Amino acid sequence: QKEVEQNSGPLSVPEGAIASLNCTYSDRVSQSFFWYRQYSGKSPELIMSIYSNGDKEDGRFTAQLNKASQYVSLLIRDSQPSDSATYLCAVKRYGNNRLAFGKGNQVVVIP
Amino acid sequence: DTGVSQNPRHKITKRGQNVTFRCDPISEHNRLYWYRQTLGQGPEFLTYFQNEAQLEKSRLLSDRFSAERPKGSFSTLEIQRTEQGDSAMYLCASSGDSPDAEAFFGQGTRLTVV
Repeated sequence: QKEVEQNSGPLSVPEGAIASLNCTYSDRVSQSFFWYRQYSGKSPELIMSIYSNGDKEDGRFTAQLNKASQYVSLLIRDSQPSDSATYLCAVKRYGNNRLAFGKGNQVVVIP
Repeated sequence: DTGVSQNPRHKITKRGQNVTFRCDPISEHNRLYWYRQTLGQGPEFLTYFQNEAQLEKSRLLSDRFSAERPKGSFSTLEIQRTEQGDSAMYLCASSGDSPDAEAFFGQGTRLTVV
């Protein structure tokens, strides 16, 4: 079982719609959760961090964490063409400083 | 610019040659990380420094790879006797000391071994 899984294929959404991305993790002692955005050919850019169960909102982005289900998600509201990128879920275990990444989900926003 | 800086941005080398990459972290960050990313995959952890001490190395880091952070500031990653399978984006990130600290990435160095 992979440490962090992002299984959805490319996600196409019309401009203005909500994009929903999901991520599951295997290690129950995971404590910190991050979403990075990566444009093609560029490096990952941090967009959200979440540490407690529930929702965290930042602008058009909302991260949701459910530690009991070992599940973290990212919602992008009012999607814009500039949101077209790969979104990487990353998890940090308690007592371990490295990040474990999923393989990412590609989002394409159609004007 | 006070972000993480990596040099060079691109490197093309012949198989068997040695290459060295440099990373300058955010100045107040004590933690520095190296990751490798291949096409269609997420970044894979290679190694981690707390100041000048290398505290963790992945099994991905074969004996051809070595990383240093001699004065706890910039870091170098050297790959000896490069192989085609080493072709990837090498990413450096830095963070503060808090257990919840966020990590910020540099622009990456794209290595192509021909």
